[in-house]
Amino acid sequence: DAGVTQSPTHLIKTRGQQVTLRCSPKSGHDTVSWYQQALGQGPQFIFQYYEEEERQRGNFPDRFSGHQFPNYSSELNVNALLLGDSALYLCASSLVVNLSGYTFGSGTRLTVV
Amino acid sequence: AQKITQTQPGMFVQEKEAVTLDCTYDTSDPSYGLFWYKQPSSGEMIFLIYQGSYDQQNATEGRYSLNFQKARKSANLVISASQLGDSAMYFCAMRDYNAGNMLTFGGGTRLMVKP
Repeated sequence: DAGVTQSPTHLIKTRGQQVTLRCSPKSGHDTVSWYQQALGQGPQFIFQYYEEEERQRGNFPDRFSGHQFPNYSSELNVNALLLGDSALYLCASSLVVNLSGYTFGSGTRLTVV
Repeated sequence: AQKITQTQPGMFVQEKEAVTLDCTYDTSDPSYGLFWYKQPSSGEMIFLIYQGSYDQQNATEGRYSLNFQKARKSANLVISASQLGDSAMYFCAMRDYNAGNMLTFGGGTRLMVKP
């Protein structure tokens, strides 16, 4: 049973560019959340998608947007990249009815130069 | 507002000994869940243990147990019989149900197991 799969694993982008990160949830899960983890810090919630809609959003600017597809997979898009966007981006999947069952992927390490 | 505090940035433990990682939380919601995750250098967040605010007994999962003291708002993780593979970052997190489905994480504790 595959867990959460994220791609790519590493990415280097230039300031001002746009990036798309991808996440396939664990089999049977219907909800996808995205977190940003800066170096040496705990993850911070970006947003969550359920039924192809953004259900909740953390304190992140509109440059961060997302999408969920009918097969429950999800994308995170970041526009106009800043150096401060360099971080590990983690995807977590869960079942909306299971409040304690989050599964995380290994993340995408984004470096903005 | 939710808040999770982990006051130990780094800890050493001797192999085969027990270690306690501290976590305190702050919430006004009576219904919440507390989580501990392990993050090795690979980056993946590995779920260790969960405690619901209404659970009467402390959660246990193999070598992991959660020392839940509700009145003190603490949820310390106890790892028994430490192994070299336990060396990693450990994060305490909370889901406050009034705040929806997001997890709020502490700053983490780096555990280093000495042979």
